[in-house]
Amino acid sequence: QVQLQQSGPGLVKPSETLSLTCTVSGDSIGDYYWGWIRQPAGKGLEFIGRMYVHPSYVDSHYNPSLKSRATMSLDTSRNQFFLKLTSVTAADTAVYYCARELGGAGFNWFDPWGQGTLVTVSS
Amino acid sequence: DIQMTQFPSSLSASVGDRVTITCRASQSIMTYLNWYQQKPGRAPRVLISAASTLQGGVPSRFSGSGSETDFTLTINSLQPEDFAVYYCQQTYRAPWTFGQGTTVEIK
Repeated sequence: QVQLQQSGPGLVKPSETLSLTCTVSGDSIGDYYWGWIRQPAGKGLEFIGRMYVHPSYVDSHYNPSLKSRATMSLDTSRNQFFLKLTSVTAADTAVYYCARELGGAGFNWFDPWGQGTLVTVSS
Repeated sequence: DIQMTQFPSSLSASVGDRVTITCRASQSIMTYLNWYQQKPGRAPRVLISAASTLQGGVPSRFSGSGSETDFTLTINSLQPEDFAVYYCQQTYRAPWTFGQGTTVEIK
């Protein structure tokens, strides 16, 4: 059974870079798309991006609302994928989730999800 | 971006009730629509994909329908463990977008 374990600092200073890691066990990271989603306290879900790494190409999509501040990457040798979000502000304070994307031909869904990491942006 | 609007934003219901939640897309998304359930302090869990396909392990009292712009999630005979927040999500066009959520509360 695939499991996603998230790690990363829970507190980031304004203008700095948020960095999160999602470690996957029970499945190969190279076989799927992987995504990041966030949720401010008491609010709904916001898609951050999704990524797939093939030996010969990389496919990724980001939410334009993040204005190119987000960067995802994968390390297939360690079965990990990563999120970096630069120039953070208080508006980036949220619970961040990683998730595997299943399905195909557009009929995709996120399953399972990581446990979530609360990241607070504050000095 | 495709906007997803859910209504109602919240509802109160009793155990045994039939509950219907609506999700409307700002343009046709065919049936590229998923439903998730989220309980407090937990990550979301997928219930339904492709508008009407029940995911493994999801009770049969959950069902989904709809196409193009209008979709519904129905819970027949609401159970105590169903009190949660429900989200729809479109995967027709990137960026994927979610509805704002519908809270199902105990009456």
